Amino acid sequence: EIVMTQSPLSLSVTPGEPASISCRSTQSLLHKNGNNYLDWYLQKPGQSPQLLIYLGSKRASGVPARFSGSGSGTDFTLKISRVEAEDLGVYYCMQALHTPRTFGQGTKLEIK
Amino acid sequence: QVQLIQSGGEMKKPGASVKVSCKASGYIFRNYGITWVRQAPGQGLEWVGWISTVNGIANYAQKFQGRVTMTTDPSTSTAYLELRGLTSDDTAVFYCARYDEAFDLWGQGTLITVSS
Repeated sequence: EIVMTQSPLSLSVTPGEPASISCRSTQSLLHKNGNNYLDWYLQKPGQSPQLLIYLGSKRASGVPARFSGSGSGTDFTLKISRVEAEDLGVYYCMQALHTPRTFGQGTKLEIK
Repeated sequence: QVQLIQSGGEMKKPGASVKVSCKASGYIFRNYGITWVRQAPGQGLEWVGWISTVNGIANYAQKFQGRVTMTTDPSTSTAYLELRGLTSDDTAVFYCARYDEAFDLWGQGTLITVSS
């Protein structure tokens, strides 16, 4: 199965500052159709996960523009241009190309 | 309102079985599949499997093969996850989620506690 590795596993960010999370996969997530099958989810404290980004760079409905996804193949990045207090939680990447679907370990974002 | 509502938490003894429900509302049930994800206490997310709401065909993660069954009841827009042979390692929150291009709608989660 594909192993997803996130870094860092935790980060503490001052509101208004940017944040970046890396996600690497052991196999390419680039499909022959040109799409990268990589999703990002945020799990806020005490809540269910929510979809942020799918197909590597497409923002889900209602997700603020400060969130962006990039990357291709095996290396991906989630960026928050200016962190807000409501962004705290655990961020997970998930590969969506192969079964079983596999998640990264999660990156805990704390607000300074 | 577009939502997935899951059944309440349960406490089970080792060796028992549990069946969790996930009722969809606010959208056409057959237009999306249903996936299940497990989260042990303080741990990350683990994919259990998914099921087509069109033909009922399910695909399970290998580690759950043989003791998991996913089903749907289109007449009530409800999906079910049954897990047998429970051990303490199965103590976790189980989430259902709708999937199309991604898992874009999640249930509130169901806590299953396995303890003697």
